[in-house]
Amino acid sequence: SQQGEEDPQALSIQEGENATMNCSYKTSINNLQWYRQNSGRGLVHLILIRSNEREKHSGRLRVTLDTSKKSSSLLITASRAADTASYFCATDGSNYKLTFGKGTLLTVNP
Amino acid sequence: DAGVIQSPRHEVTEMGQEVTLRCKPISGHNSLFWYRQTMMRGLELLIYFNNNVPIDDSGMPEDRFSAKMPNASFSTLKIQPSEPRDSAVYFCASSLQPGETQYFGPGTRLLVL
Repeated sequence: SQQGEEDPQALSIQEGENATMNCSYKTSINNLQWYRQNSGRGLVHLILIRSNEREKHSGRLRVTLDTSKKSSSLLITASRAADTASYFCATDGSNYKLTFGKGTLLTVNP
Repeated sequence: DAGVIQSPRHEVTEMGQEVTLRCKPISGHNSLFWYRQTMMRGLELLIYFNNNVPIDDSGMPEDRFSAKMPNASFSTLKIQPSEPRDSAVYFCASSLQPGETQYFGPGTRLLVL
């Protein structure tokens, strides 16, 4: 069964706007990771946030983690057309297995 | 520095044929993962190795699937015999240690006719 579930399933915005994607999970985790996948390509790691961290930044990316609500969010600021991709959250629970959600398809219109 | 290398990139085969997918992890990485991605089921972990030893193969669909890691720089995923429902993109990923960031290969797109 899927551990992480992204919301929304699809998001369409204009270039320059911010994009926020959410992820909810069910069981306790060691860390949570966000990945990006361009159409027809492999997944690219964006950011890892550990269970004892609440917020992390990397360039235009901001990730928050609320373990009490079992949820995380990924914010992309000042979006660009090149940010168009699917975004996945992955949770790392027991046994170090990553479980991926179904992803959010982000479209940034120029 | 080369990333994870997978071959072939595309494979078209007929039902009943044996399929072998190959992966070379990033040098120095101790953990290797095989995933399958389909529209219906998303990205699923099939099996992962740590220090060349299979740790968790609970995601392997059935006995037709097998994976090996004879050394730290090479792994194979074999499907025998293949079936149309095996059509998917198969990804290999590696990480320094279990639980750390995983680096994905470009994937093998498999079509079983």
